[in-house]
Amino acid sequence: QSVLTQPPSASGTPGQRVTISCSGSSSNIGSITVNWYQHVPGTAPKLLINDDNRRPSGVPDRFSGSRSGTSASLAISALQSEDEADYYCAAWHDSLNGYVFGTGTKVTV
Amino acid sequence: EVQLVESGGGLVQSGGSLRLSCAASGFTLSDYWMSWVRQAPGKGLEWVANIKQDGSERYYVDSVKGRLTISRDNARNLVYLQMNSLRAEDTAVYHCVRAWQFDLWGRGTLVTVSS
Repeated sequence: QSVLTQPPSASGTPGQRVTISCSGSSSNIGSITVNWYQHVPGTAPKLLINDDNRRPSGVPDRFSGSRSGTSASLAISALQSEDEADYYCAAWHDSLNGYVFGTGTKVTV
Repeated sequence: EVQLVESGGGLVQSGGSLRLSCAASGFTLSDYWMSWVRQAPGKGLEWVANIKQDGSERYYVDSVKGRLTISRDNARNLVYLQMNSLRAEDTAVYHCVRAWQFDLWGRGTLVTVSS
């Protein structure tokens, strides 16, 4: 069972803004940065945001991330049809010496 | 091209064994921690195991401890996941992942454990 909680789904029409939340605790999000991943089933997941709000090369600037306290969020500012995918937050968990993923959010356009 | 390609998945009976391989190319494998992450049918992503650059440290999610073993051969640019005493709940697509920011993923290989 994941320790990072996301809403199961989100949706919008092309051009709309969509925000996905990720809720954790002081032992994960509250003390370490968060990454976000985009996953189209059947393909390799893609790193979308690292260190809370940094976009790797090639990621469109309509994707942005933020973190405050024990929560983080991903925003898609102008939704496009190709953004339809599953989105996961994730953070390193010191006591596990491993990575924890959020429960995942399916975005429908 | 920088990529990870997994192989070795398949259908196995409960209690059986399987070894997954991950071929790394386009980067220096020995510079990175590496991981395996799985996704069961209809479920989310789950981190399975990590291994340090030189193999001296390995960590596992509780549900696989004592059954799955991660290893690596930097000279051959390969990462492995030896899977023993497999259970139905191990059925999943297994992805090999470069563990710096989990920034590079393979497409995965499907493991199906029949009961």
